[in-house]
Amino acid sequence: DTGVSQNPRHKITKRGQNVTFRCDPISEHNRLYWYRQTLGQGPEFLTYFQNEAQLEKSRLLSDRFSAERPKGSFSTLEIQRTEQGDSAMYLCASSLNPESMNTEAFFGQGTRLTVV
Amino acid sequence: EDKVVQSPLSLVVHEGDTVTLNCSYEVTNFRSLLWYKQEKKAPTFLFMLTSSGIEKKSGRLSSILDKKELFSILNITATQTGDSAVYLCAVEASDYKLSFGAGTTVTVRA
Repeated sequence: DTGVSQNPRHKITKRGQNVTFRCDPISEHNRLYWYRQTLGQGPEFLTYFQNEAQLEKSRLLSDRFSAERPKGSFSTLEIQRTEQGDSAMYLCASSLNPESMNTEAFFGQGTRLTVV
Repeated sequence: EDKVVQSPLSLVVHEGDTVTLNCSYEVTNFRSLLWYKQEKKAPTFLFMLTSSGIEKKSGRLSSILDKKELFSILNITATQTGDSAVYLCAVEASDYKLSFGAGTTVTVRA
């Protein structure tokens, strides 16, 4: 499978615990995006990377959220001290070099987080 | 801040009907507009539109962009139950950030 891969697919955690999600983008894609989606809403932008550089982080994102892409390949999203409001689907997407004609983003299957 | 508004929020049709979904946007330094279909899992890419007035077509789906009036429509003709999904519109700015609308939920009844 050469699509965007996310792990785990589901995560249930107790409030206050830390969680980490992983995203492996399509291999030649150098842009990587993280989104959060709750029921009935469109994906909400969290952050994105060009290779290993984090270009922007949403102002709505608290400092409990951090993302890395250390070698410009896979990325991790960590949430510290989880709260019930963090329960959502976390989506990762990747896209080709922006100078390419085809820059549409392709999504992974998502990680569904439930904080109890 | 970039803004994407989709309408209607939901609709129910019968198989064979035609549906038209709307997306209006406000974005600084527009680059492209994208349509995605989302069933139970991840959004899947449908169309990317960059130029006004040029219709993109894929089977029973088609889409067009109006950059002057800042909107796009997605048409689905001869709907089938498999078209039931949430249809998401996103705009891409010059910094390549994607901003999504809330989506339109389409339900096609047999």
